[in-house]
Amino acid sequence: GEDVEQSLFLSVREGDSSVINCTYTDSSSTYLYWYKQEPGAGLQLLTYIFSNMDMKQDQRLTVLLNKKDKHLSLRIADTQTGDSAIYFCAESKPGFQKLVFGTGTRLLVSP
Amino acid sequence: GAVVSQHPSWVICKSGTSVKIECRSLDFQATTMFWYRQFPKQSLMLMATSNEGSKATYEQGVEKDKFLINHASLTLSTLTVTSAHPEDSSFYICSARRGAADTEAFFGQGTRLTVV
Repeated sequence: GEDVEQSLFLSVREGDSSVINCTYTDSSSTYLYWYKQEPGAGLQLLTYIFSNMDMKQDQRLTVLLNKKDKHLSLRIADTQTGDSAIYFCAESKPGFQKLVFGTGTRLLVSP
Repeated sequence: GAVVSQHPSWVICKSGTSVKIECRSLDFQATTMFWYRQFPKQSLMLMATSNEGSKATYEQGVEKDKFLINHASLTLSTLTVTSAHPEDSSFYICSARRGAADTEAFFGQGTRLTVV
């Protein structure tokens, strides 16, 4: 199966950390991605992690991957109002021929 | 990063007409392009994968004759919604890869289609 699940909604205060979670079912996934989508716009790649890695950090973003549990998370440190958007996780298969997207998490950052 | 541009950004058309959406890779050659459809407050659903110079590969449940995809050059793919109906109203997004081993897919800004 190719189910990728995310919680629908997350609300945090400005300055707090946000943690967005994602679970997937396909153990053959090679890369896992986090994308950001602002209203009426396309997708912006935030970061990605290879499936044999446990963690990747990129400035305010930290990705954690638990391959055994098929669980991926994105932590945003010092969340800002500009981070309010929908965040999608996605997985790709060997050959990178297509991405399977999660259901999306709407992050709302309040001042 | 590489830039992918979609045109138009939005379009309104009458039922029964056809609409063409263009997806261009502006600063790289895209051997593979993907077309997605997104309903309001939902995830992206892959419609088809197109490789330059060959027929598109459609996902299960996507009508080939309804959604015509052409990838005639390494920088341009088009999606034509034929005989559009209100239920075809949606947000259509394309993405492109530079090569078969490229780990990153670059996305266009999307096209909002409204069929009245």
